[in-house]
Amino acid sequence: ETGVTQSPTHLIKTRGQQVTLRCSSQSGHNTVSWYQQALGQGPQFIFQYYREEENGRGNFPPRFSGLQFPNYSSELNVNALELDDSALYLCASSLGVNQPQHFGDGTRLSIL
Amino acid sequence: QKEVEQDPGPLSVPEGAIVSLNCTYSNSAFQYFMWYRQYSRKGPELLMYTYSSGNKEDGRFTAQVDKSSKYISLFIRDSQPSDSATYLCAMSEKNRDDKIIFGKGTRLHILP
Repeated sequence: ETGVTQSPTHLIKTRGQQVTLRCSSQSGHNTVSWYQQALGQGPQFIFQYYREEENGRGNFPPRFSGLQFPNYSSELNVNALELDDSALYLCASSLGVNQPQHFGDGTRLSIL
Repeated sequence: QKEVEQDPGPLSVPEGAIVSLNCTYSNSAFQYFMWYRQYSRKGPELLMYTYSSGNKEDGRFTAQVDKSSKYISLFIRDSQPSDSATYLCAMSEKNRDDKIIFGKGTRLHILP
């Protein structure tokens, strides 16, 4: 059984640029959630997608957006990058809403 | 007051000892309680997942939830050097917004 995979593993961008991060969910999982983890902190919820629809959103500005595709893979897009966006971005998938979430190893994003 | 409080440590214990990790929370609507283990440069790995109050045991790990005190614990018996990691407590409400709220994590070192 393949777990949650994320790409790329590392990324370096400059302020003002845009970035797209990708996530393939675990086999059979139709729900994907995205989290931001700053150094020394716990992950913070960005949003969740269930069957291609946004199912909930945390306290992040609209320049954080996402998509879920028919195969349940997902993208996180961030526009107008800021220095504070430097973090580990984690994707988690689950069998449905209110089910255990299983994480990938994340994409480490550095903003210069 | 933060929704979830967790002592960041570090916590150092000798190999073979019993480890006790704890979190407190303020939101009485939390229904799902989780413990994740995170190794350096990896994503969080789900260790324990419980619904409402009570105890759950899985191998060397025991999770306890006391909703009346808003307090959760994770015990690790016969601790091993491979248990050295950051342990994140996490919790969520049972509703459409499936976001998980994480503690900051406790860094644990098991000394050989």
